[in-house]
Amino acid sequence: AQKITQTQPGMFVQEKEAVTLDCTYDTSDPSYGLFWYKQPSSGEMIFLIYQGSYDQQNATEGRYSLNFQKARKSANLVISASQLGDSAMYFCAMREGEGNQGGKLIFGQGTELSVKP
Amino acid sequence: NAGVTQTPKFRILKIGQSMTLQCTQDMNHNYMYWYRQDPGMGLKLIYYSVGAGITDKGEVPNGYNVSRSTTEDFPLRLELAAPSQTSVYFCASSYTGSTDTQYFGPGTRLTVL
Repeated sequence: AQKITQTQPGMFVQEKEAVTLDCTYDTSDPSYGLFWYKQPSSGEMIFLIYQGSYDQQNATEGRYSLNFQKARKSANLVISASQLGDSAMYFCAMREGEGNQGGKLIFGQGTELSVKP
Repeated sequence: NAGVTQTPKFRILKIGQSMTLQCTQDMNHNYMYWYRQDPGMGLKLIYYSVGAGITDKGEVPNGYNVSRSTTEDFPLRLELAAPSQTSVYFCASSYTGSTDTQYFGPGTRLTVL
């Protein structure tokens, strides 16, 4: 069973507008972490934001925020005031269990975001 | 502070050849990982290590081997390369396995013909 689902293969957003990238996950482990990474066309993986399963507040990092809805098992990424440089592939990933299990990440298939001028 | 470095950046192998992908990190991270990314897909974990001398299989370990003799280095060995191993390979590291971010290397693009 797929554990991380990103249902939007591609998204378009107008420059300076906000955009939400969807991510749902499946786990029975009470302790887990959720990550978002950005992969521009150059190929590197860039960490954006992290949300722990026990965190009470939604994570924010600059223009990035994570809309964490635990009961619905969703962890959507919100990018405010989109910039042309935000055009990239975005991956949601989950770490199950406590850290001593190795911190293995399970990735979704990604959403390709295109920002239009 | 170079972070995570990988060599080579690109490589073409013939079927049946072997090679080692190198990965080095200078952040004194305990945890290291190897992922592969097939075209249009997310990353899948091949092997990981929680410290020198300790390695374990990930989701897609077949056809690969790893070793971790030092904290800094985590090479990935491909034996008897097959076309199915054509992929982009990423090495990553983190200080711990829990909330710490995994930092990725730039990747190695491997083609097996």
